[in-house]
Amino acid sequence: DSGVTQTPKHLITATGQRVTLRCSPRSGDLSVYWYQQSLDQGLQFLIQYYNGEERAKGNILERFSAQQFPDLHSELNLSSLELGDSALYFCASSSGSLARQETQYFGPGTRLLVL
Amino acid sequence: AQTVTQSQPEMSVQEAETVTLSCTYDTSESDYYLFWYKQPPSRQMILVIRQEAYKQQNATENRFSVNFQKAAKSFSLKISDSQLGDAAMYFCAYRTKIYMDSNYQLIWGAGTKLIIKP
Repeated sequence: DSGVTQTPKHLITATGQRVTLRCSPRSGDLSVYWYQQSLDQGLQFLIQYYNGEERAKGNILERFSAQQFPDLHSELNLSSLELGDSALYFCASSSGSLARQETQYFGPGTRLLVL
Repeated sequence: AQTVTQSQPEMSVQEAETVTLSCTYDTSESDYYLFWYKQPPSRQMILVIRQEAYKQQNATENRFSVNFQKAAKSFSLKISDSQLGDAAMYFCAYRTKIYMDSNYQLIWGAGTKLIIKP
C-alpha cells in the first residue's frame, strides 16, 4: 500500500458528461501528480500541483482541469468526455521537497470508461 | 527532449532463473534519476528500484538490481530467482527538470511485459 488513495476505483459514464476524480496524497506529501494511461500504453503526465499551486503541465487537454485543496487532496475534472478519454487515471504524490531523493508513489488508479 | 526506450515489448523467464530487462535513454543532462516501476495485473504502479545518476554504484533491492552505464545511457534491470509474483509490466522512467526549477517530471518508456513460466 503506497499510502495514496484514489476514488472512485471505477467510473462508467457517457460521452459529453463530466466527472471528477479524487486523490489523497500520502501523509506529509505536498506534491500531487496526475497521469493518464490508455490501454496497453505508458503513462502520460497531465499536471502537477505543489501545496495548492499548479507547478507543471504536461499533455493535459483544455477539457481537463485540476486543483489541489488546502488539505492537499486533489481533484481532476474531466468534461465533455469523449470515447478516447477512456483510460486509467493515476495520481501520484511526493514530498515536494527540493531534495533530489524524492520519489513519486502511485495510487491504485481510477478506471474511466466512456460509452 | 529526453526520451526513454524499452526495446523489449515482452520477455519470458523460467521460474527461479534470472532475467534482464533493458532500458536506454537520451539526455543532455548530467544530473538525473532513473526508476523502474512494476505494474502487475492489478494495474497498481509500484516502485521497484531507483538509481541516482551521480552514483557509480549500482542500486540493489533484494532480488532486483540495476546495471547503470551512464556513458552508454543504459539502465537495465536484473531480476534474480524469478518468482511467479514478478509477472507484470515493467516501466523504466527518467526524471528530468521542469521549467528549470526543482520540480521533476517522469519520462516513461513503453514498458516490457514479463512472463514467468512455472
